[in-house]
Amino acid sequence: KNEVEQSPQNLTAQEGEFITINCSYSVGISALHWLQQHPGGGIVSLFMLSSGKKKHGRLIATINIQEKHSSLHITASHPRDSAVYICAVPGGGADGLTFGKGTHLIIQP
Amino acid sequence: DSGVTQTPKHLITATGQRVTLRCSPRSGDLSVYWYQQSLDQGLQFLIQYYNGEERAKGNILERFSAQQFPDLHSELNLSSLELGDSALYFCASSHFERTEAFFGQGTRLTVV
Repeated sequence: KNEVEQSPQNLTAQEGEFITINCSYSVGISALHWLQQHPGGGIVSLFMLSSGKKKHGRLIATINIQEKHSSLHITASHPRDSAVYICAVPGGGADGLTFGKGTHLIIQP
Repeated sequence: DSGVTQTPKHLITATGQRVTLRCSPRSGDLSVYWYQQSLDQGLQFLIQYYNGEERAKGNILERFSAQQFPDLHSELNLSSLELGDSALYFCASSHFERTEAFFGQGTRLTVV
């Protein structure tokens, strides 16, 4: 079974700061997902990546397959980025995802 | 809007009852996943269907069952409900297996 660890669990920052959220996993994978969950509960898929780096607007995701580690960066953070960010990987033997516990991010104006 | 529709959004029911949660995947998506999010367990994978067939099972209780119909919508049936079944239930869909999955808004189930 793949174990997923995220850090930090909670992060409070000021508007405009550069944010980094880290994710590590225990078993080699084909791809890793970053998800965003807002207070209302809905989950949005941000990235699915299997190597290198992807960028979407102010969000950047990187992955190092050899080190079993991924990072999610937010540049020029804004209060609307406040949410829970969740890292997920394919579970061992099943196609469903195994999730990290999430990083609760608060961006203060 | 992800294109994945879940109904109902909220459901309150009593212990011992049975409920059915419905999911309509994005147009063209063949794979449907069900997940449970509870305060103590976090997000957990329950079950996956692909083009009508069950493909993978996660931490799904025997009291729970699911199916995917020929039009590709899916239903998750929860029976003999217990207080501990109170949770957010998410459906996600993807075009093929192991491609990017898109989540519905979830059904919040409260068992009283």
